[in-house]
Amino acid sequence: RKEVEQDPGPFNVPEGATVAFNCTYSNSASQSFFWYRQDCRKEPKLLMSVYSSGNEDGRFTAQLNRASQYISLLIRDSKLSDSATYLCVVKEWSGGYNKLIFGAGTRLAVHP
Amino acid sequence: DAGVIQSPRHEVTEMGQEVTLRCKPISGHDYLFWYRQTMMRGLELLIYFNNNVPIDDSGMPEDRFSAKMPNASFSTLKIQPSEPRDSAVYFCASSLQGYEQYFGPGTRLTVT
Repeated sequence: RKEVEQDPGPFNVPEGATVAFNCTYSNSASQSFFWYRQDCRKEPKLLMSVYSSGNEDGRFTAQLNRASQYISLLIRDSKLSDSATYLCVVKEWSGGYNKLIFGAGTRLAVHP
Repeated sequence: DAGVIQSPRHEVTEMGQEVTLRCKPISGHDYLFWYRQTMMRGLELLIYFNNNVPIDDSGMPEDRFSAKMPNASFSTLKIQPSEPRDSAVYFCASSLQGYEQYFGPGTRLTVT
């Protein structure tokens, strides 16, 4: 079983739609959680951290469910510019150091 | 501010040749990471350094791969000899105290 699992998609949605991605992780001792965004042929960039109480940044809402070991990202009022791959990332404490484990990503395509 | 710098951006080489990828992390960052990304396997951590010391190289696929960090501002990833299955995008990332990782633009390697 992969440490971090995501539905690869693609999710094809019209502009203005609301779309949600889920991600599951296998290590219950994982410490921190993030969503990264990767545009085509570009490097990954941090989109937002995911806090236990849930957090919102504009049209983006991230939530964490530790009991079920999953993380979600909700995008409201989708824009064409939201088209990208969204990577679920889990931070683990391993051998005395922090280590990020990346999911394979979920591809989102927003169309007019 | 300069971000993470990688060179070359593109590399095309023949099977059996030595390939050296270079990375300059963000000044002041104490962690440096090398990742490989392919369609099949997603983003994989190869090795990471803390204060120039290799901490975890368990992701290095085999002995053909080696990485060094001779000082805080420079790291190399070397493949010798290269094989077609090494074709991928190689990212370098750096972070401060294990927090947000900043990725370089990547090196797109093609081995023919």
